[in-house]
Amino acid sequence: GENVEQHPSTLSVQEGDSAVIKCTYSDSASNYFPWYKQELGKGPQLIIDIRSNVGEKKDQRIAVTLNKTAKHFSLHITETQPEDSAVYFCAAIYTGGFKTIFGAGTRLFVKA
Amino acid sequence: GAGVSQSPSNKVTEKGKDVELRCDPISGHTALYWYRQRLGQGLEFLIYFQGNSAPDKSGLPSDRFSAERTGESVSTLTIQRTQQEDSAVYLCASSPLTRTIFGQPQHFGDGTRLSIL
Repeated sequence: GENVEQHPSTLSVQEGDSAVIKCTYSDSASNYFPWYKQELGKGPQLIIDIRSNVGEKKDQRIAVTLNKTAKHFSLHITETQPEDSAVYFCAAIYTGGFKTIFGAGTRLFVKA
Repeated sequence: GAGVSQSPSNKVTEKGKDVELRCDPISGHTALYWYRQRLGQGLEFLIYFQGNSAPDKSGLPSDRFSAERTGESVSTLTIQRTQQEDSAVYLCASSPLTRTIFGQPQHFGDGTRLSIL
C-alpha cells in the first residue's frame, strides 16, 4: 500500500542555521506533496506544497525540492528562528485522489 | 472566511460513555476527513467523505467508531462505549474539489482533545 517515510523524527538546530527534513513516498502515481506545520495545541497548517510537474518551489525562508525518479522530496528552512519550532509533516496525494498519506512527523527544535 | 471549526475543543468523559464530536468544514469544501492523533504521534486516518459518494471508512479502528455527514455540511464522529485507549486529539480537515489532475491541500481544525477517565 501507499507509504510515506519521514526523517529525522527529531531535529535540533541553532537559531540561524538551516534545517532539512526528508520524505520518501512509495506510490509513483503521487503528484502533489504538501508540507504542514503543527504547533502545540493546534491543527496542522499548510506551509508550502509542490506539484509533480516542478522540481523546486520557494517561499521566503522555506523551500521544497522534489525528485520524482527517486521518489524523494525535502523541506528546507533557512535562517531558522525559535518560532519555527514545531512538528512538521510531509504528505503525498496520488493523481486524482483525495486520500492523503502523511509522514510520521519531525519535531524541530530551534535553540536561541 | 471561517476555517474548519470543531467542537467541543475539550471533552472529558468516563469509560463506557458515548461521545459525539462535531466538525464544521469550510463552506464549499466537498471532501472532509477525520484523523486521530495520540500524544506525540502522527496522524492516523479514520474516515473521509467526498461529496455524496460512499465514505472511505477503511481507517476506523473498531465498530465503536462511526461518522456521518449530510451532503457537504457538518460531520459528526461518534465513539460508543469509550475506552481509555480512545484518549487522543481528533482532528477534522476539509478540502475543495480539485479541478486539475493534482490534489488539494487539507485545511485542519484545531481538534477535539478527548480524555477518557
